[in-house]
Order: sequence, then structure tokens, then C-alpha cells
Amino acid sequence: DAKTTQPPSMDCAEGRAANLPCNHSTISGNEYVYWYRQIHSQGPQYIIHGLKNNETNEMASLIITEDRKSSTLILPHATLRDTAVYYCISEGAGNMLTFGGGTRLMVKP
Amino acid sequence: DTGVSQDPRHKITKRGQNVTFRCDPISEHNRLYWYRQTLGQGPEFLTYFQNEAQLEKSRLLSDRFSAERPKGSFSTLEIQRTEQGDSAMYLCASSLTESNQPQHFGDGTRLSIL
Repeated sequence: DAKTTQPPSMDCAEGRAANLPCNHSTISGNEYVYWYRQIHSQGPQYIIHGLKNNETNEMASLIITEDRKSSTLILPHATLRDTAVYYCISEGAGNMLTFGGGTRLMVKP
Repeated sequence: DTGVSQDPRHKITKRGQNVTFRCDPISEHNRLYWYRQTLGQGPEFLTYFQNEAQLEKSRLLSDRFSAERPKGSFSTLEIQRTEQGDSAMYLCASSLTESNQPQHFGDGTRLSIL
């Protein structure tokens, strides 16, 4: 079963920051949180992952709360091409990823 | 850097036929994973390999499903006696062995059962 919960959908205005929340209150202390996104008819695309510290790369920033019970993915300047389903995932045994329903982000002009 | 490659992209077949899908991982990745995704759902883990060894297969959906990775490079997923419920996207991913290395996915094979 998925250990993460996300809102089913969100809207964001083009050029604005998109902040996607995720609750993962039951993940273990050594389990990383991964974010992927999926655009229609393509495979999931890796975005970022983290354990305790905040992380940033060329695509996004990941903010993890100190108690590790939740995190937020930040797309600093959303574009129309960022419209996708975003998955927040904790990694299980054997690197098995358990996907939930994700958040459908709609970036609007 | 060539990504994960899957073939074919689309497969249409009649119920009862056998189908086989191929996955070529990123060349230096020794872990390879198979997932299934049905419409409107997130991907569902099926099985994975470390080199040629299949380390987890309890999540394969039935004994009609099998996977191989004979030389530790490409992998095949076979479904025997296909049923209409097998219609889905079958995704392959690969990663390095070291812990917490992200999996990189191919664009999948879409299977349609008539």
C-alpha cells in the first residue's frame, strides 16, 4: 500500500511557483521520498528525491519537514509543459516504488 | 545518454495469445524493474532483477506472467494466454545498484487485448 497521500488535483498559473504537498507520516526513518511526474502517454520522469535535508536541482526543489511527515515539491516558475501527474513515493524493500494516485497539476495561461 | 528503451510501443492481440515485450535498460544500470499501469492509476510494481537474478517476483499478477534477464542486460516480460484484463501499459525502469539511486523509466508498451 502507498505510504503517501496527495491531493488529487491542483491548478497553477503559468510563471508562478507550483507547490505540491505530500503527506508521508508512516515512512521509516531510512526511507527516501521520491518525486516523479508523468505526462500523458509517456513513462514516469524522475524529478528529485531526499531523506531529511532540503534538495534542489535544475527541475525543482524539495522541502522536507523536520519530522519527515510531509514534504513539498516546488516548481519555481511553472510552464504549460509542467502540466502532468506528479507522484510522491516512498521507496520500499528492493527499491520497489509504490505509486499512489498522484496529483494532477494543471498549469493555466 | 540513451534512456530505457521498450519494444514494441504498442501491441494489439487477440485474447488467448501469448505476448512478449522487451526492455533495454540504460547501459551501466544493473537493476531492472517491470511495472504495470492501468488507465487512471499509478504504476504497479511487478518484478525486478539485479543483473540476471530475479530478486522479487511475488508481485507478478499470475502464473501467466513471467520475466527473464538471461545475460543481465535486456529483459523480456511474457504474458501467456492473454485476457482482456491484461490490457494496460507495461513499463520498464532501470537503476544503479547503490541504495537510493533513482529509477529511470521507459515510455512503456501499451497492450490492447481484443
